[in-house]
Amino acid sequence: GENVEQHPSTLSVQEGDSAVIKCTYSDSASNYFPWYKQELGKRPQLIIDIRSNVGEKKDQRIAVTLNKTAKHFSLHITETQPEDSAVYFCAASMGNTPLVFGKGTRLSVIA
Amino acid sequence: DVKVTQSSRYLVKRTGEKVFLECVQDMDHENMFWYRQDPGLGLRLIYFSYDVKMKEKGDIPEGYSVSREKKERFSLILESASTNQTSMYLCASRRTTGGVGYTFGSGTRLTVV
Repeated sequence: GENVEQHPSTLSVQEGDSAVIKCTYSDSASNYFPWYKQELGKRPQLIIDIRSNVGEKKDQRIAVTLNKTAKHFSLHITETQPEDSAVYFCAASMGNTPLVFGKGTRLSVIA
Repeated sequence: DVKVTQSSRYLVKRTGEKVFLECVQDMDHENMFWYRQDPGLGLRLIYFSYDVKMKEKGDIPEGYSVSREKKERFSLILESASTNQTSMYLCASRRTTGGVGYTFGSGTRLTVV
């Protein structure tokens, strides 16, 4: 089955800097890649997703890139703010199968 | 706004008890899922259901069962709670079309003593 690896497990950046979180997946048939943000004590919330027919997607300060050949995808957050501090999860799935999640990255934005 | 509601935010149970975790969604989603979340291990799939009366084992089903008698409700059952089942339990739902994200419930933090 699918296996998703996520790096780094923790990341600290200065406010205003960029943050990058990387994930690799094992099943070349996977075609859907969402990213979730989980603030302390709250539910995971979908922040951006990408499908395999697209190489890059952007929404304001966040962007996701996908490299199908290398089977990796990345989350990019620019101009980080303290409210970006959270745990971020990547995930992958194929068709209607359940999402397989990475282990998460704890992002700390230092003011 | 899609809502996924988990009946309890915090729960403390004794070893050996039968525990029911309830999840209800209000957007007519076909698919529902139960994950447990543990530090350093991410979200691991326990059971899922593609529709009423249907259930499929996930990656860690041992010690758990589920019930989906109505489309909007998906229950997770711990047959005989053990301390290693102390965890955060997250329910999620989505519509049946592939390639869409989940909506999660707020989670139930279960402590087994």
